[in-house]
Amino acid sequence: KQEVTQIPAALSVPEGENLVLNCSFTDSAIYNLQWFRQDPGKGLTSLLLIQSSQREQTSGRLNASLDKSSGRSTLYIAASQPGDSATYLCAVRGTDSWGKLQFGAGTQVVVTP
Amino acid sequence: DAGVIQSPRHEVTEMGQEVTLRCKPISGHNSLFWYRQTMMRGLELLIYFNNNVPIDDSGMPEDRFSAKMPNASFSTLKIQPSEPRDSAVYFCASRQDGTGNTIYFGEGSWLTVV
Repeated sequence: KQEVTQIPAALSVPEGENLVLNCSFTDSAIYNLQWFRQDPGKGLTSLLLIQSSQREQTSGRLNASLDKSSGRSTLYIAASQPGDSATYLCAVRGTDSWGKLQFGAGTQVVVTP
Repeated sequence: DAGVIQSPRHEVTEMGQEVTLRCKPISGHNSLFWYRQTMMRGLELLIYFNNNVPIDDSGMPEDRFSAKMPNASFSTLKIQPSEPRDSAVYFCASRQDGTGNTIYFGEGSWLTVV
């Protein structure tokens, strides 16, 4: 059974610092991995999707890397801003016929002005 | 597109009452998911529909929970009778089939059973 772990559970950084969020998974047989952002009282918003054949994806200040063989993904957020404060979740899509997503518990990020 | 639309956004009900949560997926998406989120257990998949057919309901906690998708634009999740431990945020999400496609979440239905 696929298990997804996100460490740390919470993180606080001053504005301007780079954020590094980690996601690890136990089964390397995946189709893709997604990073989501969740604001309090809201649903999940997809940030980046990395296919299993890719090493990284970038969108603006966000960069996500994937090392399938070691079961790791890292989300980098450059020059953090208070608006980046949210919970970040990663989800792994398996290779089963319909592609079930397995979510990590998330990392709660606070960026202080 | 308006995105995935869920109703009600908030519901407070008494133990034993029936609760019905509603979802309208994004037009053209043929996969629909119901998730439950709690502090203790995080996000849990309850049920997955593909082309309106339930494919995997192994996450439905017990017989008190049922879900239907009578057509491509509407799904319901029903709890009868409700219990305090059902208090959670229930998310509906939809996706167009394809390994590279993103899943889109609704804003959630916040359920409190007292």
